[in-house]
Amino acid sequence: AQSVAQPEDQVNVAEGNPLTVKCTYSVSGNPYLFWYVQYPNRGLQFLLKYITGDNLVKGSYGFEAEFNKSQTSFHLKKPSALVSDSALYFCAVRGLFMNNNAGNMLTFGGGTRLMVKP
Amino acid sequence: DSGVTQTPKHLITATGQRVTLRCSPRSGDLSVYWYQQSLDQGLQFLIQYYNGEERAKGNILERFSAQQFPDLHSELNLSSLELGDSALYFCASSVESGGALGDTGELFFGEGSRLTVL
Repeated sequence: AQSVAQPEDQVNVAEGNPLTVKCTYSVSGNPYLFWYVQYPNRGLQFLLKYITGDNLVKGSYGFEAEFNKSQTSFHLKKPSALVSDSALYFCAVRGLFMNNNAGNMLTFGGGTRLMVKP
Repeated sequence: DSGVTQTPKHLITATGQRVTLRCSPRSGDLSVYWYQQSLDQGLQFLIQYYNGEERAKGNILERFSAQQFPDLHSELNLSSLELGDSALYFCASSVESGGALGDTGELFFGEGSRLTVL
């Protein structure tokens, strides 16, 4: 079974400071890792994904994430936070299934609320 | 705009009733996923359909059922509703190759249907 942990329910950061939202995962085989953002009363929006290759992945809105296989982590980062980045962030994992009947759904972490203060 | 359309956006009903939530995937996407988002359970995968057939099942109650029609839209039926069924129900779609290998696509989410059971 695959699982994702986001150890922080909330992260507070001042505008202009760097931010990190943590994520660790557990999956059989090579993971496909994703970050999504959810603004109030909206659906989830895709930010970035790691499939293979360079461990540092760049995504939308200046976000990036670093894949660390030995630590089974995929932390989301941004060099300079904006107030408009305040939202709920979800990390997700998708395992590489060898069985076509296994499905390809994403398993999500519990979410981390990012609060960026002016 | 993700291209995934969900109706209705809001629904208020009473315990014991039955409702149907509808989802139209992005043009060309063959797979549809249903997720439930509640405050205490986070994002829970319910069920996946691929090209009209059930592909994977998650934490879906027996009172709930889903189907995907030939035009690829999907419906999630919730019956004998209980107070605890109050949640946001998201539909997502992806291209899906039909096989697990090489399928790295992210999911595209609709805006969700907010169900309130009184």
